[in-house]
Amino acid sequence: EVQVLESGGGLVQPGGSLRLSCAASGFTISNYAMSWVLQAPGKGLEWVSGVGSSGGYTYNADSVKGRFTISRDDSKNTLYLQMNSLRVEDTAVYYCAKSKAGRPRWYFDLWGRGTLVTVSS
Amino acid sequence: QSALTQPASVSGSPGQSITISCTGTAGDVGGYNFVSWYQQYPGKAPKLMIYDVSNRPSGVSNRFSASKSGNTASLTISGLQAEDEADYYCSSYTSSSTLDVVFGGGTKLTVL
Repeated sequence: EVQVLESGGGLVQPGGSLRLSCAASGFTISNYAMSWVLQAPGKGLEWVSGVGSSGGYTYNADSVKGRFTISRDDSKNTLYLQMNSLRVEDTAVYYCAKSKAGRPRWYFDLWGRGTLVTVSS
Repeated sequence: QSALTQPASVSGSPGQSITISCTGTAGDVGGYNFVSWYQQYPGKAPKLMIYDVSNRPSGVSNRFSASKSGNTASLTISGLQAEDEADYYCSSYTSSSTLDVVFGGGTKLTVL
């Protein structure tokens, strides 16, 4: 079955760090562009970071530049999001999403269930 | 970078048609044919419904159609069914220097 499964969310204090993982099965992530998309409680979708298929070029929203780093381990078929200097406003469900095509055609045709990140003291 | 502008809510009766608008700028919706639409049920992950402005992925009902004119994209759902009640989001590639993908604020569709 083709799917992605996120993990690594939880409660963290402001200024803390978390690493989210997205394990893919049924397809090879290196063949596709992948992204992280967040959804704050009761709010809409917000794209955070993406990585291309070829060359592994990464793209980030300004809101997380310098704090979040997207990466992938092709040997583990897993996508990651390293989140540092977390802020209260980063609280959200974080979805891992596979893109149907490469940049600029960011069409997310496979989503995980999401992992909740709560930043609070 | 502001989100694309969508109405907060729309409603319709079973069998009717509704249209959800998505207004952006020349730097996103108006400048590129890289618009997509997603359906999301409460507590669930989004589902891709439309890509490349008007294309439906395999398995999506042909009751869903979409188009674009200038800086505004539109999603039309015909023959409304109770199961269509959900949140709908548009999305577009953006030439903004601050991010690559911009989403709309979402529209809650209520089937009366």
